[in-house]
Amino acid sequence: KAGVTQTPRYLIKTRGQQVTLSCSPISGHRSVSWYQQTPGQGLQFLFEYFSETQRNKGNFPGRFSGRQFSNSRSEMNVSTLELGDSALYLCASSLGQAATDTQYFGPGTRLTVL
Amino acid sequence: AQSVTQLGSHVSVSEGALVLLRCNYSSSVPPYLFWYVQYPNQGLQLLLKYTSAATLVKGINGFEAEFKKSETSFHLTKPSAHMSDAAEYFCAVSVAGGGSNYKLTFGKGTLLTVNP
Repeated sequence: KAGVTQTPRYLIKTRGQQVTLSCSPISGHRSVSWYQQTPGQGLQFLFEYFSETQRNKGNFPGRFSGRQFSNSRSEMNVSTLELGDSALYLCASSLGQAATDTQYFGPGTRLTVL
Repeated sequence: AQSVTQLGSHVSVSEGALVLLRCNYSSSVPPYLFWYVQYPNQGLQLLLKYTSAATLVKGINGFEAEFKKSETSFHLTKPSAHMSDAAEYFCAVSVAGGGSNYKLTFGKGTLLTVNP
């Protein structure tokens, strides 16, 4: 089975721009979660989608949004980018609820905001 | 609210030595507990998971962890370190919130260095 894929792997943007990241889960997995990883804050949960519905949300501003399509693929959007948004964004998929099931992570998208 | 603390942001061991990575959690209800590993330039990979079936959990690559309720700990061990174990390790705790909805929290991570 193919693993979780994320595109693009690297992105460079400037402040004020917006960005869309994409995640394709493992086939058959209905849950997709997004995380932000930075050296200072560690791994922080952004949101989880299950069958196209947002099931859980972390403590991030409304500039961070996501969606899930009927084929379980997910996108994450960040609008009005700030320098502090520079991070590795990880996507993970699981069969059931992310908080209790094994999550399979993609390699991440490295976002740099200049 | 639950929390998870990983003691030591950086642990260094010699090849062949015991690996001990510490994780303590706070939760008023029985938790799910996880250890994940992240190799350089990769995503996280599950090492093992505790779901209340057995207190000693065996994972991949020779790692194991013991759930100690009285100490609220879930330390990760491996008898003999290998160079390929060098990576960052994350402990995570999941606790039921409202209804069947669980909340997952990751620790800050421990970077393991293995010296030849």
